[in-house]
Order: sequence, then structure tokens, then C-alpha cells
Amino acid sequence: KAGVTQTPRYLIKTRGQQVTLSCSPISGHRSVSWYQQTPGQGLQFLFEYFSETQRNKGNFPGRFSGRQFSNSRSEMNVSTLELGDSALYLCASSLESGPNTGELFFGEGSRLTVL
Amino acid sequence: GDSVTQMEGPVTLSEEAFLTINCTYTATGYPSLFWYVQYPGEGLQLLLKATKADDKGSNKGFEATYRKETTSFHLEKGSVQVSDSAVYFCALSDQSGNTPLVFGKGTRLSVIA
Repeated sequence: KAGVTQTPRYLIKTRGQQVTLSCSPISGHRSVSWYQQTPGQGLQFLFEYFSETQRNKGNFPGRFSGRQFSNSRSEMNVSTLELGDSALYLCASSLESGPNTGELFFGEGSRLTVL
Repeated sequence: GDSVTQMEGPVTLSEEAFLTINCTYTATGYPSLFWYVQYPGEGLQLLLKATKADDKGSNKGFEATYRKETTSFHLEKGSVQVSDSAVYFCALSDQSGNTPLVFGKGTRLSVIA
């Protein structure tokens, strides 16, 4: 069974540009969550999608957005990139919404560097 | 709001040593508690969990007990191996179960032969 796939794995952008990251969940999983991981802040929740609807949203500015498609694949977009957006962006999928109903399965992440 | 505090690393141990990674939390009610592990170059994976007070989660020789009175969920292993070298994250979800996981900052463990 294929795991959670994130693309691209690495990317470099400059300030002011925008970026789109993609996540393909495990087959059959309907919930996709996104986290930002940095050395200083650790893992911070961005948003969660379930059956194409945003269920939860973290405390990030509006430059961070996401969506989920009918096949459960998800994308997140960051516009007007800032140096502080440099991070590892992790996607996680689960069968149902909410971690108490089942474990989260994480991808290897997309490492974004903003110059 | 809810929060998780983990002991800061890195932690370096010799093979077969005893491991404890401290984790305390702040939350109302009865959250569910989790330990996730991130091996080098991989995504996080669930190691163990406990959903009510006094529950003990266990997996791969690791254990953690949900202590409501001390708001703690310390991770322990009796004899670590080199293959246990990884970053360990403590996390919680509030009692509704519908909110996202709140993670600690992670503790890097290095085990040397």
C-alpha cells in the first residue's frame, strides 16, 4: 500500500514568489492535514480538509491557503513568500477526520527554502 | 490554549541504556495523548497512544502512561538500540477528538554502539 506522497520534495524560491505543494494521501483516506515544521517553532498546524471541506484552520496568515480535490489529493499554496516561510511542510492523511478516530500517516515533507 | 512541553534534546545514550523522555501537557478535560517518531529522512509515524487516564500505550518496547494527576505522558524504553535514533514528538488532541494534534517541539535521540 503506497504511503503519503508529497511533491516536490525540495524547492527554492525567492521572496515575493508563490509556491504550490501537493499531497497524495493513502488510498481510501479522506482527511488530509498540513503542518509546518521549523527548528524554532516545531510542528504547527496549518489546516485540515475532509471530503473537500476545510474542517480546521490554524493560526497562519491568509497567504497560506489550501484545497482538497474529489480524489482526496490536496494542495497548499503560499503567496508572497517571506524568508520566515522557509520550513519543512508535512502532509498527513487519515481515514476519518480527527486523530482520535485513527492515526495520522505522514509524508516525508516538502522542504521549502526562501531566499 | 492546549500545549505540550517536552524535554529539550539532544539526548545521547549508549546502546542498552534506559530511556526516558519527559512530556507534560496543558489541556482542559481529558485529552488523548500520543507519541510520534520521525526517523532520519522519513515522515512522522505513530508510536503509541493513550486515550484515557491511567492508560498505558506500548509499542516496539516503548511505553508511556497517561498520568492525569501530573498531566504527564513520559516515554520510556528499558534498553535502547542504535535503530531507535530518531526525533520523538509528544502530542495531544482535546477530548472532542475533532481538533488537530498539538505537538511538542520534539526530542532528538542518538544511540551510540
